[in-house]
Amino acid sequence: DAGVIQSPRHEVTEMGQEVTLRCKPISGHDYLFWYRQTMMRGLELLIYFNNNVPIDDSGMPEDRFSAKMPNASFSTLKIQPSEPRDSAVYFCASSTHRRVSSNQPQHFGDGTRLSIL
Amino acid sequence: GNSVTQMEGPVTLSEEAFLTINCTYTATGYPSLFWYVQYPGEGLQLLLKATKADDKGSNKGFEATYRKETTSFHLEKGSVQVSDSAVYFCALSAYNNAGNMLTFGGGTRLMVKP
Repeated sequence: DAGVIQSPRHEVTEMGQEVTLRCKPISGHDYLFWYRQTMMRGLELLIYFNNNVPIDDSGMPEDRFSAKMPNASFSTLKIQPSEPRDSAVYFCASSTHRRVSSNQPQHFGDGTRLSIL
Repeated sequence: GNSVTQMEGPVTLSEEAFLTINCTYTATGYPSLFWYVQYPGEGLQLLLKATKADDKGSNKGFEATYRKETTSFHLEKGSVQVSDSAVYFCALSAYNNAGNMLTFGGGTRLMVKP
């Protein structure tokens, strides 16, 4: 089975540019999560969706960050304008069912390593 | 609220040494507990899990026992290999109205030298 697919794997861009990260969750999963990982802050939950609807975006750091899920198989995380402090690894994860059980943990993609110069 | 605390790294060991990575948690109710592993350049992968007190999760030679009395879920392995070098995350899930959430610890980097 295909896992969570993220693209691109690496992104290098200059500050001020718009950045779009993409995620395809596992088919049939109804929860999708966006995380950011940095050395300073560790793993932070930015936002999550249930059935394509944003449920909690309290982790989104600023208005420069936005996330959408237009359908069950695709989500984007957009940063506009980007800044050097946004440099991090961004992970997407998906899961199914409201309550996490031992059989249904979150499944992670391989991440997008973002560098803002 | 829920929280997970794990020992800071890096932890550096020689091959075949015994490994312990401490993890303690704070949660309301009866959480499920997980260890995830992140190999270099990859995403997090579920390593093992336990859903109730005294359960022992195990996988790839790693073990962790859900200790409710000490609110702990320490990760152990009897003999580490160079290929175990990775970052290990302890996590919990406690049902709440916010939905299907995991609370992660800060991660512990393990470096195994040949």
